Amino acid sequence: GENVEQHPSTLSVQEGDSAVIKCTYSDSASNYFPWYKQELGKRPQLIIDIRSNVGEKKDQRIAVTLNKTAKHFSLHITETQPEDSAVYFCAARSNTNAGKSTFGDGTTLTVKP
Amino acid sequence: EAEVAQSPRYKITEKSQAVAFWCDPISGHATLYWYRQILGQGPELLVQFQDESVVDDSQLPKDRFSAERLKGVDSTLKIQPAELGDSAMYLCASSQSTESALHFGNGTRLTVT
Repeated sequence: GENVEQHPSTLSVQEGDSAVIKCTYSDSASNYFPWYKQELGKRPQLIIDIRSNVGEKKDQRIAVTLNKTAKHFSLHITETQPEDSAVYFCAARSNTNAGKSTFGDGTTLTVKP
Repeated sequence: EAEVAQSPRYKITEKSQAVAFWCDPISGHATLYWYRQILGQGPELLVQFQDESVVDDSQLPKDRFSAERLKGVDSTLKIQPAELGDSAMYLCASSQSTESALHFGNGTRLTVT
C-alpha cells in the first residue's frame, strides 16, 4: 500500500520567515495530494491541494509543489504569522485504491512572534 | 458552510465496555470515512463507505470494531470490548466522491481506563 513520510516533525520559525514542509510517497499511481492544518483540539482542515497534472499551485501565502518523478511534494508558507502555528498533515491518494488517502505523521509548526 | 457532525465529543469508558460513535456527513456526500488518530500521528483509515457499502475496511480490527451506514447517510462506529490501546481521536470525514477533498468532523476523543 501507499506510504507517506513527512519531514520535519517539528519546525520553529520567526514571524515573517518562510516555512517548508516536505513529503514523499511510494505509490506512483497516487494522483491527489492535499495538505491539512489542524489546530489544537480542532479538526483537520484542507488548506491547499494539488493534482498530479500540475507542478505547482499557489494561494496567497501558501504554495504546494509536486515532483512526480521523485515522488515528493512540499508545502511552502511565506511571511509566516503566529496564527499559522498548528500541526500540518500531508496526504496522498490513488484512485486505484478506492480513493484511499494515506496521511503523513504531521509537522508541528511554531511561529514565534 | 456545511459541516460533518460527530457525537459525542468526548467519551470515557472502562476497558471491556462497549462504546459507539455517530457521524452525520455533509448532505449529498456519498463517501464517508472513519479515521483513528493517535496523538502525534496522522489519521489512519479504519473504514470507507461508498453510499451504504464498505469499500475498504482492511485496517479495521474486525474482532472488536464494527461500522455501518445503513441508509447511506449517517454512520455508527462501535467498539466492543474496548481496550486501553483504543484510546485515540476518532475522526469522521466525508467527500462528494472518491476524487473530492475530505471534510472532517470535530472528532470523538475516546479515553479507555
